[in-house]
Amino acid sequence: DAGVTQSPTHLIKTRGQHVTLRCSPISGHKSVSWYQQVLGQGPQFIFQYYEKEERGRGNFPDRFSARQFPNYSSELNVNALLLGDSALYLCASSPKSTNEQFFGPGTRLTVL
Amino acid sequence: AQKVTQAQTEISVVEKEDVTLDCVYETRDTTYYLFWYKQPPSGELVFLIRRNSFDEQNEISGRYSWNFQKSTSSFNFTITASQVVDSAVYFCALSATTSGTYKYIFGTGTRLKVLA
Repeated sequence: DAGVTQSPTHLIKTRGQHVTLRCSPISGHKSVSWYQQVLGQGPQFIFQYYEKEERGRGNFPDRFSARQFPNYSSELNVNALLLGDSALYLCASSPKSTNEQFFGPGTRLTVL
Repeated sequence: AQKVTQAQTEISVVEKEDVTLDCVYETRDTTYYLFWYKQPPSGELVFLIRRNSFDEQNEISGRYSWNFQKSTSSFNFTITASQVVDSAVYFCALSATTSGTYKYIFGTGTRLKVLA
C-alpha cells in the first residue's frame, strides 16, 4: 500500500509570494494533519482536518490556511511568505484524529 | 496549556548499551494520548507507540520498552542493547481534544547517537 505522498518535494519562493503544498493520505485514512518543522526542532502542529472539516489549529497566523477534499487529500496554503516560513512541511494521515499518525516525506520550502 | 518536555538534547552510547529517553508532559485534559516517533537521518517520521491516558500498562516490543507513569506525568522510552541503526532523533508527542479542538504537541526531540 502506498504511504502518505506529498508534492512538491522541494520549493523555492521569494518573500511575499504564495505557496500551495499538497498531500495524499494513505488509502482509507480520513484525517490529515499539517506540521511545520524547522531544522533542529520538533514538528509544530498547524492544522488537522477530519472528514473535510477543520478539527484543530495550532498557533499559526491567518496567512496559513488549508482544506481537505472529498477524496481526503489536502492542500496547505501560505500567503505573503516570510523568510521565517522556510521549513520542512510535513503531512500526516490517520484513520481517525486520535490515532497514531503516518507521516509523508515532507516538502522542503525555502523562502529567499 | 499542553506541553511536552524532552530535557535530553543529545545522548551518545556505545553499541549494546541500554539507553532511556525521558519525556515529561503537561495537560489538564483527563483524556489524552501519548506517542513516540523516530526520525532517522532520512528524515521521515516513523510511529513507534501510542498510549491513552487510561492505560498505564508498560509495553515491551522487542528491544523497545515504554514506561508510562501518570503520577509523574512521564512517558519514558528505553532501548535495550542499542544498535547503530537506532541512531535517530526521537520525539515524544501528546494529543488531546480541548473544547472540541484538537491539538498535537511534539517535544523538541532527543538525538541518539549509537557508536559502533
